[in-house]
Amino acid sequence: GENVEQHPSTLSVQEGDSAVIKCTYSDSASNYFPWYKQELGKGPQLIIDIRSNVGEKKDQRIAVTLNKTAKHFSLHITETQPEDSAVYFCAPWAGSYQLTFGKGTKLSVIP
Amino acid sequence: DTGVSQNPRHKITKRGQNVTFRCDPISEHNRLYWYRQTLGQGPEFLTYFQNEAQLEKSRLLSDRFSAERPKGSFSTLEIQRTEQGDSAMYLCASSLEVTDTQYFGPGTRLTVL
Repeated sequence: GENVEQHPSTLSVQEGDSAVIKCTYSDSASNYFPWYKQELGKGPQLIIDIRSNVGEKKDQRIAVTLNKTAKHFSLHITETQPEDSAVYFCAPWAGSYQLTFGKGTKLSVIP
Repeated sequence: DTGVSQNPRHKITKRGQNVTFRCDPISEHNRLYWYRQTLGQGPEFLTYFQNEAQLEKSRLLSDRFSAERPKGSFSTLEIQRTEQGDSAMYLCASSLEVTDTQYFGPGTRLTVL
């Protein structure tokens, strides 16, 4: 099965600074790489995803970069705002029916 | 709102009781998934439906758990003889195809006393 590791487990940044979260996976067959944001008491919400034929994707302040050779992908958030505070999960997908989630990164944006 | 909905949002029960949760997926999504999430962890896969057929079950799904999707639309997850270890957030997700993005509902928070 897929082994997924996220780093760091917690991250505190000042409002306006950038945040980067890294996800490392084990299954070389993985070809879909989503990032989910989960706020307290809510379900995970997809914020950005990338497929294996693309190296980088950007959506306003959020970007995902993929390095398939090294088996890792990263979430980049620029100009952080207090509403970005949440737990972020990566969930690389290797072609089966299930997503395998990392343990999450708790991001705190300090005003 | 056309997202995934789940009911109830919260359920408190006593050990040994049976509970049932409901999930309504996004309209026309024929794939439906159940996950369980405990505090401080990511969601873990429980089971998966394609239309009304339950195609996969995780080892986490003991024989006290049963899931149905009788008409290929909404799904129910029942836990019989609940135990304190069943306390968790139960999440439902749906997708149009198995290769497509999974969209999650708000979850049902179960507390077993």
